Amino acid sequence: DIQMTQSPSTLSAPVGDRVTITCRASQSIGTWLAWFQQKPGKAPNVLIYRASSLESGVPSRFSGSGSGTEFTLTISSLQPEDFATYYCQQYDSYPWTFGHGTKVEIK
Amino acid sequence: QVQLVESGGGVVQPGGSLGLSCAASGFTFSEHAMHWVRQAPGKGLEWVADISFDGFTQNYADTVRGRFTISRDNADNTVYLQMDSLKEEDTAVYFCARDLSFTAVSGLSDLWGQGTLVTVSS
Repeated sequence: DIQMTQSPSTLSAPVGDRVTITCRASQSIGTWLAWFQQKPGKAPNVLIYRASSLESGVPSRFSGSGSGTEFTLTISSLQPEDFATYYCQQYDSYPWTFGHGTKVEIK
Repeated sequence: QVQLVESGGGVVQPGGSLGLSCAASGFTFSEHAMHWVRQAPGKGLEWVADISFDGFTQNYADTVRGRFTISRDNADNTVYLQMDSLKEEDTAVYFCARDLSFTAVSGLSDLWGQGTLVTVSS
């Protein structure tokens, strides 16, 4: 199975900050990587797919980059509605696997 | 509107069985593979199973293979998850989700239901 390792597990930042979350795959997955945002009690929502493609309707302050085994999600200017937990997911091969999540908190 | 609505969650004893349903609306259900993904309380996301658009192919996580069965009824726009021999570690919110691709399995879900809670406890 491909292991997905996210860092940090928790991130505290003020509104307006630029934040970056990292996801590492245990083997190369090309660009078959997605980023999800999940708020408490809600289903996950896809933000980024194919490592860097922005899902329709997602604000442009979200961006993704990377390929192979190293990926990043960047929020260029953190907004109040961005405080949530973020997950990466590989969809290169079975079983589809997720990172353990990064909780973004208000500082 | 385009949505997925899960039902069937509840409390069950270890070793027991439970069946979940997920009703789809607002899109052509028969064109998409479907997934079940679960989330234990306070934990991350775990893919459980998926089924091809035509129902002919199913795949399972090792943690549930042999105990869970995914199926679908395209005439009724519904996907199911039959869970047998349940264990306490199966306690989670179960989400159904639509695969992004048409007729193939990409592994990426672009539409999720609100989830249904399954609690396995004596």
